[in-house]
Amino acid sequence: DVVLTQSPLSLPVTLGQPASISCRSSQSLVHSDGNTYLNWIQQRPGQSPRRLIYKVSNRDSGVPDRFSGSGSGTDFTLEITTVEADDVAVYYCIQDIHWPYTFGQGTKLEIK
Amino acid sequence: EVQLVESGGALVQPGGSLRLSCVASGFTFSSYWMTWVRQAPGKGLEWVASTKYDGTETAYVASVKGRFTVSRDNAKNSLYLQMNSLRVEDTAVYYCARGARGSDSWGQGTLVTVSS
Repeated sequence: DVVLTQSPLSLPVTLGQPASISCRSSQSLVHSDGNTYLNWIQQRPGQSPRRLIYKVSNRDSGVPDRFSGSGSGTDFTLEITTVEADDVAVYYCIQDIHWPYTFGQGTKLEIK
Repeated sequence: EVQLVESGGALVQPGGSLRLSCVASGFTFSSYWMTWVRQAPGKGLEWVASTKYDGTETAYVASVKGRFTVSRDNAKNSLYLQMNSLRVEDTAVYYCARGARGSDSWGQGTLVTVSS
């Protein structure tokens, strides 16, 4: 199975400061169709998961542009340019190219 | 607006069975793969199973293969997860999600507790 390793697992951030989460894959996530199937999921406390970013860098509708995704091959990053209180959540990466689909362990973002 | 409403979660003894349902609305259900994802208490997300839009193809995580069956009824806009031989480690909130590759909408979840 593909293992996704996120770091850090805990991320205390001051309001208005940037944040960055890394997701490293044990295998390439590049499909033969040319796409890279790595998504980012946000789960706020007590809520259902919500997709933020798909195929590495595409923001979902309604996602603020302070969120961005980047990376290639096996190395990916979710960045928040200026953290707001609303961003307190656990963030997961998920690969959906190889069965079984797998998630990273999750990164808990909190306000310092 | 996409809506996914799960139901069927309950307290069940180890070795027991349970059937979860997910009713979809706001999109053409029969055009989408559908997925079940679970989250054990205080833990991360785990992909469980997915089914193709016509039900002809399914995939499972190894830990549930042979015990769980994902199915759908497109006439009822409904997704199901039949869970047999339940184990304590199956205790989790179960979410249904639209799509498999690129699941983009999730329900509110239903809690399954396996305990004696």
